[in-house]
Amino acid sequence: QVQLVQSGAEVKQPGSSVKVSCKASGGTFSSYGLNWVRQAPGQGLEWLGGMIPISGKVNYAQNFQGRVTITADESTSTATMELSSLRSEDTAIYYCASATGWNFLCAYWGQGTRVTVSS
Amino acid sequence: DIQMTQSPSTLSASVGDRVTITCRASQNIGTWLAWFQQKPGKAPKLLIYKASNLQSGVPSRFSGSGAGTGFTLTISSLQSDDFATYYCQQYDSNSVTFGQGTKVEIK
Repeated sequence: QVQLVQSGAEVKQPGSSVKVSCKASGGTFSSYGLNWVRQAPGQGLEWLGGMIPISGKVNYAQNFQGRVTITADESTSTATMELSSLRSEDTAIYYCASATGWNFLCAYWGQGTRVTVSS
Repeated sequence: DIQMTQSPSTLSASVGDRVTITCRASQNIGTWLAWFQQKPGKAPKLLIYKASNLQSGVPSRFSGSGAGTGFTLTISSLQSDDFATYYCQQYDSNSVTFGQGTKVEIK
């Protein structure tokens, strides 16, 4: 079973960028999809994008096109999500979630990273 | 993008009740549909994948059905541990979408 450990909480200024990392253990990192999902306070789940490392395929949600970048380092089994041009509405808990194959099912979840955007 | 519409948004029920939550897709997604349970302060937990497959370790009182555009999550006999928020997720297309959630409350 895949286990995902995310980086710690961040406080950012509006207009800046944030990078959140997600280190995977168990399973073969490159052979399953890896998603990024966020949840604003009191709100539902919102998909930012996902990638399948072995294929190099990266898909982004339309709402975040041009603002989010997802990368993966297979040598360290670590995925990273960078969100730029931050605004207060980006304050949320950001989760990575892995699939069980070459798809974007969110089967296993990291513990979440709280990102606060405030001046 | 494929839109996912969940209903109801809130559901009040008692322990032992049979509970049904519905998710409708804006276009045919085959059986590429998952259900999650989320409790406050915790990450979501996968319950059902591929519309009707029970994730390992999930109690058998949870079941999923449907295909195409209409899907259902059923809890056959609600337990105290089941009071939570439930989400559906489509993962058919290259863009994933979630339903808006159903909060199951104590009646």
